[in-house]
Amino acid sequence: NAGVTQTPKFRILKIGQSMTLQCTQDMNHNYMYWYRQDPGMGLKLIYYSVGAGITDKGEVPNGYNVSRSTTEDFPLRLELAAPSQTSVYFCASSYGDRPSIYNSPLHFGNGTRLTVT
Amino acid sequence: RKEVEQDPGPFNVPEGATVAFNCTYSNSASQSFFWYRQDCRKEPKLLMSVYSSGNEDGRFTAQLNRASQYISLLIRDSKLSDSATYLCVGYGSSNTGKLIFGQGTTLQVKP
Repeated sequence: NAGVTQTPKFRILKIGQSMTLQCTQDMNHNYMYWYRQDPGMGLKLIYYSVGAGITDKGEVPNGYNVSRSTTEDFPLRLELAAPSQTSVYFCASSYGDRPSIYNSPLHFGNGTRLTVT
Repeated sequence: RKEVEQDPGPFNVPEGATVAFNCTYSNSASQSFFWYRQDCRKEPKLLMSVYSSGNEDGRFTAQLNRASQYISLLIRDSKLSDSATYLCVGYGSSNTGKLIFGQGTTLQVKP
């Protein structure tokens, strides 16, 4: 059982380049999340999705885009990479009821370590 | 007020000590809370789920105080291996699945 799979594990980007961080889950979870974690800091929510075709902004969405065309996949797009986007990115999924007063725990991928220079 | 807030610590305690962390939340309608443990910026690992008044698992006890809008994590008989960052998770301001992390509380257990 793979759970949540993130690719790539590591990436170095030059300023202004673009890339897509991939995230897929095989647990049929309806909710998916992207978080970033800067050194010595907590996890900040970038975007989240409560189901295919539905996405919403989190705490720090600027500079990122997402899509959710299927239940399994939730890619995160960086269009114009900036040094401030150097971070560790975690994708997570869970089961949630709507309206969401109940969530199962978050299942995390292993993270993508991104450096922008 | 932050949606989910923790005292970042660090908490430095000797082996065998009892230590408690608090986490406050702003969304009074929240029904689900979680405590996660994170080591060295690896992915967070679930420690406990809190759906009602509390939960207990061995040396770990989580309690939910709805009136004061906080959840606590109590660790009894601390072990060296408990040294980690403990993350609290709760809902953001809207009831739409927006799960927010507190900034984490660092625990260092010393021999």
